[in-house]
Amino acid sequence: AQSVTQLDSHVSVSEGTPVLLRCNYSSSYSPSLFWYVQHPNKGLQLLLKYTSAATLVKGINGFEAEFKKSETSFHLTKPSAHMSDAAEYFCVVSEGSGATNKLIFGTGTLLAVQP
Amino acid sequence: ETGVTQSPTHLIKTRGQQVTLRCSSQSGHNTVSWYQQALGQGPQFIFQYYREEENGRGNFPPRFSGLQFPNYSSELNVNALELDDSALYLCASSFGGGAGTDTQYFGPGTRLTVL
Repeated sequence: AQSVTQLDSHVSVSEGTPVLLRCNYSSSYSPSLFWYVQHPNKGLQLLLKYTSAATLVKGINGFEAEFKKSETSFHLTKPSAHMSDAAEYFCVVSEGSGATNKLIFGTGTLLAVQP
Repeated sequence: ETGVTQSPTHLIKTRGQQVTLRCSSQSGHNTVSWYQQALGQGPQFIFQYYREEENGRGNFPPRFSGLQFPNYSSELNVNALELDDSALYLCASSFGGGAGTDTQYFGPGTRLTVL
């Protein structure tokens, strides 16, 4: 079975400093991995996805993630945090069995951005 | 292009009642998935519909049921509501049924409170 583990439940950074949100995955085959962001009282927005093409994936709003098979990691980074980045971030693996595309979510990382 | 919409936004029910939540998928999408997000947790997969047929189900009891209509909109029905059913219910649409690489686009959710 597929799973993801988000290593930090809360991360706090200062505006203008780098962001690192950590995610490890477990998969018996080459996974499809996603990062979604959820702002308060909002639905989920896709930041980026990895589907076995380039290992460095660029997403929206300056975010990117690197797929490292040897480390089973898919960490999310951004060079410079903005106040509007404050939100909850979910690392997600797709358990696509050919019949069902089921998303399995991590427990989330709450990012706080201090002025 | 219209995104995923859900109705109602908020709903309050009492224990034992029944509820119907609605979702309109993004234009061109033929697959709808439903997720339950309890407070402080990541979303959990309930089930998925592809071309009007249920093609996958998570670990939810039969009192959670659904429908998909010819225009690919969908309903989630929950019978005999329990207090633990209080959550944000998210609908996501995609194209292609079970392909793990498909991106799921989420609606804003319906907040259900069971008293």
